[in-house]
Amino acid sequence: EIVLTQSPGTLSLSPGDRATLSCRASRSVSSTHLAWYQQKPGQAPGLLIYDASSRATGIPDRFSGSGSGTDFTLTISRLEPEDFAVYYCQQYGDWPPITFGQGTRLEI
Amino acid sequence: QVQLQESGPGLVQPSQTLSLTCTVSGGSVRLGGYYWTWTRQHPEKGLEWIGYIYYSGSTDYNPSLKSRVTISIDTSKNQFSLRMSSVTAADTAVYYCARLFWSNGLVYFDYWGQGALVTVSS
Repeated sequence: EIVLTQSPGTLSLSPGDRATLSCRASRSVSSTHLAWYQQKPGQAPGLLIYDASSRATGIPDRFSGSGSGTDFTLTISRLEPEDFAVYYCQQYGDWPPITFGQGTRLEI
Repeated sequence: QVQLQESGPGLVQPSQTLSLTCTVSGGSVRLGGYYWTWTRQHPEKGLEWIGYIYYSGSTDYNPSLKSRVTISIDTSKNQFSLRMSSVTAADTAVYYCARLFWSNGLVYFDYWGQGALVTVSS
């Protein structure tokens, strides 16, 4: 199975900062077959980005995704207080199984 | 707006079978291109995909759990269910049902239930 490794494990930033989150796959996920989710405490994950760079419906344009193959990035251009959460990447380039990264916690 | 809601026992004895049901509202489980899935999250850990079912009844499972898992669907009730046998403490987790969009090479989870905590303990 494809293993996704996210870095850093925890990212400490302030509102207004730019956040850059990384997701690296153990082998190619077939071009851009990667999604990103945001999870807040006590809630289910919510879709942010699919196909590596396409924003889901209703997602603000401060969220952007990039990358292909084995290296992917989620960028939040200007952090809002509600953006502090845990972020997961998910691959569907070679499945089953669908696999997720271990998460990056974005904290103030 | 599609909504999913998990239901089932919150406490299961070791070696017994975990059973959860997901009730879907605001949309039909018969909708083409959408698959109905279970994913779990161990306490303070990441996400582990368990498996999916299509309205036709076709299924696929995570190889790591395949021998113990069965997902079924009841289209008349707009529900689908998870059964996991021979549970141990390692199966203690929050179990989420979710809708998976799979079409044109895209695969992503677009709607999730709120999650159900299942504790395996005697």
